[in-house]
Amino acid sequence: KNQVEQSPQSLIILEGKNCTLQCNYTVSPFSNLRWYKQDTGRGPVSLTIMTFSENTKSNGRYTATLDADTKQSSLHITASQLSDSASYICVVTLLTGGGNKLTFGTGTQLKVEL
Amino acid sequence: DGGITQSPKYLFRKEGQNVTLSCEQNLNHDAMYWYRQDPGQGLRLIYYSQIVNDFQKGDIAEGYSVSREKKESFPLTVTSAQKNPTAFYLCASSIEARGRALNEQFFGPGTRLTVL
Repeated sequence: KNQVEQSPQSLIILEGKNCTLQCNYTVSPFSNLRWYKQDTGRGPVSLTIMTFSENTKSNGRYTATLDADTKQSSLHITASQLSDSASYICVVTLLTGGGNKLTFGTGTQLKVEL
Repeated sequence: DGGITQSPKYLFRKEGQNVTLSCEQNLNHDAMYWYRQDPGQGLRLIYYSQIVNDFQKGDIAEGYSVSREKKESFPLTVTSAQKNPTAFYLCASSIEARGRALNEQFFGPGTRLTVL
């Protein structure tokens, strides 16, 4: 079964600290992996996208890594800010004969405190 | 702001009533999608459309219906047949072409539906 699992489920850190969120997937055949940020009550916004041939991608203070062999990805947030408080969702694209199918993780809820 | 708009932001429905959620995009995207988000679960695909006048069922289409009469509009109707309709509904769109796996999906702000 194609699945995307994220850990931890929730995380609280102090402003200015770094953190790393994890994503493990069993989706095959794999096309690409995306990280989205979703503020409470809003739609998700894309942070990064990586194909199987890429192992790192940065977007400002966000850096995503991908190990296609072990089917693991991580999202590292540097020097966290209060505005980073949100849910971070890992999304894996499955290649199918009828197009591309997205499988969503359940997200990691991050709270940044003073 | 432009992009994808959804309305209303909050919607309350009595049991047994049908309701329609609006989704409009001005990105000239061919493909549009409807997802449902429940606490503790990943987004689940309800319906999607790759072109005007065509749409396909997603993973949880039962109790829902859609139409795609215009490229920019993809309304979702939640019917009385949907057993547990209370959820956060998200619409998305993408420049879709077969084989273009890197097509990003852009999401709307969502509609929170509550059944009373």
